[in-house]
Amino acid sequence: TQLLEQSPQFLSIQEGENLTVYCNSSSVFSSLQWYRQEPGEGPVLLVTVVTGGEVKKLKRLTFQFGDARKDSSLHITAAQPGDTGLYLCAGPHKAAGNKLTFGGGTRVLVKP
Amino acid sequence: ETGVTQTPRHLVMGMTNKKSLKCEQHLGHNAMYWYKQSAKKPLELMFVYSLEERVENNSVPSRFSPECPNSSHLFLHLHTLQPEDSALYLCASSQGDRFYNSPLHFGNGTRLTVT
Repeated sequence: TQLLEQSPQFLSIQEGENLTVYCNSSSVFSSLQWYRQEPGEGPVLLVTVVTGGEVKKLKRLTFQFGDARKDSSLHITAAQPGDTGLYLCAGPHKAAGNKLTFGGGTRVLVKP
Repeated sequence: ETGVTQTPRHLVMGMTNKKSLKCEQHLGHNAMYWYKQSAKKPLELMFVYSLEERVENNSVPSRFSPECPNSSHLFLHLHTLQPEDSALYLCASSQGDRFYNSPLHFGNGTRLTVT
């Protein structure tokens, strides 16, 4: 069982549609980070959420940290082909010695 | 120069070969990491160096040997690998005292294939 479960594992949508991906845990995290990894590249940090209930916006991307700090979501409005990639959530967890633990990722494909 | 540079981008090696992966960071960070990314598995932390001192060896087999000669360079020496070691190896760096919480800056990885 992974400390951070991401769902869905794969999502294919048409350009212009909206999508939401989820990052869930049974444990409390002090913070969560979201990364996007495009094909052939390394992950790039998108945002860090720290406070329970926090909402952060990055252009068409909206990130929310759950009130209990056990889950987070990423919502993309009017997706574009450039949003295609692997979305990863990560957070420090005591069970892992406070090392940054990654979820399995959600692979998003936005078709033109 | 990009923030974190990894070479080579692709590597094919036999099980008896010895090779090295190189990582260089131009961000002035004080911590560097090796991660392994396999298909359908979460990113796995292999090694962490903070101020050139290894602070984490995450139960990695001895056929992987890291080296950090200074705060800007990190190597991963490989020998007698197994086919299951085929994966994308990512180097990352970060800055801060609580480096486990700090955002990571990744390189573009080395795609390793062991034949």
